[in-house]
Amino acid sequence: EPEVTQTPSHQVTQMGQEVILRCVPISNHLYFYWYRQILGQKVEFLVSFYNNEISEKSEIFDDQFSVERPDGSNFTLKIRSTKLEDSAMYFCASKGLRFGDGYTFGSGTRLTVV
Amino acid sequence: AQSVSQHNHHVILSEAASLELGCNYSYGGTVNLFWYVQYPGQHLQLLLKYFSGDPLVKGIKGFEAEFIKSKFSFNLRKPSVQWSDTAEYFCAVNEDSGAGSYQLTFGKGTKLSVIP
Repeated sequence: EPEVTQTPSHQVTQMGQEVILRCVPISNHLYFYWYRQILGQKVEFLVSFYNNEISEKSEIFDDQFSVERPDGSNFTLKIRSTKLEDSAMYFCASKGLRFGDGYTFGSGTRLTVV
Repeated sequence: AQSVSQHNHHVILSEAASLELGCNYSYGGTVNLFWYVQYPGQHLQLLLKYFSGDPLVKGIKGFEAEFIKSKFSFNLRKPSVQWSDTAEYFCAVNEDSGAGSYQLTFGKGTKLSVIP
């Protein structure tokens, strides 16, 4: 069964540093998402991406965040200057075009900001 | 904006007990409904989903859920739990709002602990 692949699985970074989280969505999917889950809390939507642009973003997704699909296969989330409160598990997901198509989640990247 | 409510924060059951986890959502239009499971240290896995048709949906590992539109509910059930069902369970909804991004809104999750 096709998978969404995320790298790295765990990243430790110093506060103020930039991080890039990488995802390879399922190849024929057209919608791409980033979610995050702070330890012990619910999964929160960050951003959706369709047709090479952001289609929707949450209030969490401020100017420190950006997404890119640089080469048609990777889908990246960049945090420009990390803060302690950015520590979380970040999940990438992709889905097909139709409303009824299911989502596939990656295994997540655990980001620890120290 | 829509919201998803999961009524139980932590449920503790003995093996072979029956399980029902509640989920209610707020959106009145066309929705898709999902239950995901997250085993300790692992990613989200889809248990089951409802798109249309029969409101009683059967998923993996013996789980099922019933969509009751009049109650805006999508409760998860399993007749007999096992120790291996110990995990966190998330209800999620997306809506056909016309905006097209179809992002999922998750509930806060219910932690299930099954005692052998």
